[in-house]
Amino acid sequence: QKEVEQDPGPLSVPEGAIVSLNCTYSNSAFQYFMWYRQYSRKGPELLMYTYSSGNKEDGRFTAQVDKSSKYISLFIRDSQPSDSATYLCAMRVPNTGNQFYFGTGTSLTVIP
Amino acid sequence: DADVTQTPRNRITKTGKRIMLECSQTKGHDRMYWYRQDPGLGLQLIYYSFDVKDINKGEISDGYSVSRQAQAKFSLSLESAIPNQTALYFCATSDPTGVDTQYFGPGTRLTVL
Repeated sequence: QKEVEQDPGPLSVPEGAIVSLNCTYSNSAFQYFMWYRQYSRKGPELLMYTYSSGNKEDGRFTAQVDKSSKYISLFIRDSQPSDSATYLCAMRVPNTGNQFYFGTGTSLTVIP
Repeated sequence: DADVTQTPRNRITKTGKRIMLECSQTKGHDRMYWYRQDPGLGLQLIYYSFDVKDINKGEISDGYSVSRQAQAKFSLSLESAIPNQTALYFCATSDPTGVDTQYFGPGTRLTVL
């Protein structure tokens, strides 16, 4: 079983839709949770991070962590064509050196 | 200017050739990483370095070697390239303070024929 599971999609939605992207994980020691956005032919860029359960909001983006269910989500409100990208979740155990665990990414297309 | 740069951006080579991918960063971070990305497999860690004298293997280091020439430079070598090393390669840096998030370069697309 992979440490982090992410539905690869692809996901296609109309402009203005609410998008929900999800990851599940198996290691209860994960404490830091991140979402990266990767445009085609670019490197991943950090979108949001959180280290606690609950919601964190940043503009149209909301990151949600449910540690009891080992489940994290990224919600995108009022989706725009510029949101079309691959979204990767990532997580790590604090103070254990280096290891980041990435999901495989979900490809999102927002249709104008 | 980009904080993390990679050269070359694209490379086509033949089986058995030695190839080096280079990474430079201006973020002042001590930690640097090399990943490869394959469709359906996500990002896999090849090597990482916490400082110039500290280099560690990641989950898929076989067939690869690295050199940390300076705080700002971390290169990845394929001693004898093989076709299944065809992938997108990313360099990343991180700052261990706070959440220790990673900052990625633009990637090198490597094709081994």
